[in-house]
Amino acid sequence: DAKTTQPNSMESNEEEPVHLPCNHSTISGTDYIHWYRQLPSQGPEYVIHGLTSNVNNRMASLAIAEDRKSSTLILHRATLRDAAVYYCILRAGRTGNNRKLIWGLGTSLAVNP
Amino acid sequence: GAVVSQHPSWVICKSGTSVKIECRSLDFQATTMFWYRQFPKQSLMLMATSNEGSKATYEQGVEKDKFLINHASLTLSTLTVTSAHPEDSSFYICSASARAGELFFGEGSRLTVL
Repeated sequence: DAKTTQPNSMESNEEEPVHLPCNHSTISGTDYIHWYRQLPSQGPEYVIHGLTSNVNNRMASLAIAEDRKSSTLILHRATLRDAAVYYCILRAGRTGNNRKLIWGLGTSLAVNP
Repeated sequence: GAVVSQHPSWVICKSGTSVKIECRSLDFQATTMFWYRQFPKQSLMLMATSNEGSKATYEQGVEKDKFLINHASLTLSTLTVTSAHPEDSSFYICSASARAGELFFGEGSRLTVL
């Protein structure tokens, strides 16, 4: 199962953009890149996912490298409520079996007021 | 959007007792439900996968007789921690998959065993 590598922690200021990197050098052709975030004492929350093209939704943007070996989650204007652990995960196929999920430690994002 | 609800959100029990945690999909039928355990400052660890009407599939190292999983309907799965001990204290999270494969997570249940 392909793994991802993320920085342990990052820090941002409120109202500023945040770029959260993820490396997945062993990604396979059918793996989708998913991002979830987990607020303290809560279950994970879906953020965004993509395959090859960059993706945008109301929460964030996902920039995927041309070789797909890395991706970046972009929060355009960080708020205090964005402070969470962000997980970058590979899922086999568009609706891949959950057994394929490998949860790393994610990136703990701190947002300063 | 789709919602997965867990109950209770937190529970404290004495060592040796059993605790049941419920996971419900509120507005969709969950063909598959998953149970995770998360210790402080660690990531989610998949414990088992349950499909409605069949026995759960447990991950390696997870005792099926200790963590009983029942998925009797398309909207409810339960996890029972039998004869709980302090080392079972953890944050238990369920997730549910709809037929389209979308994955939704519950709010989590924090178990503290005294």
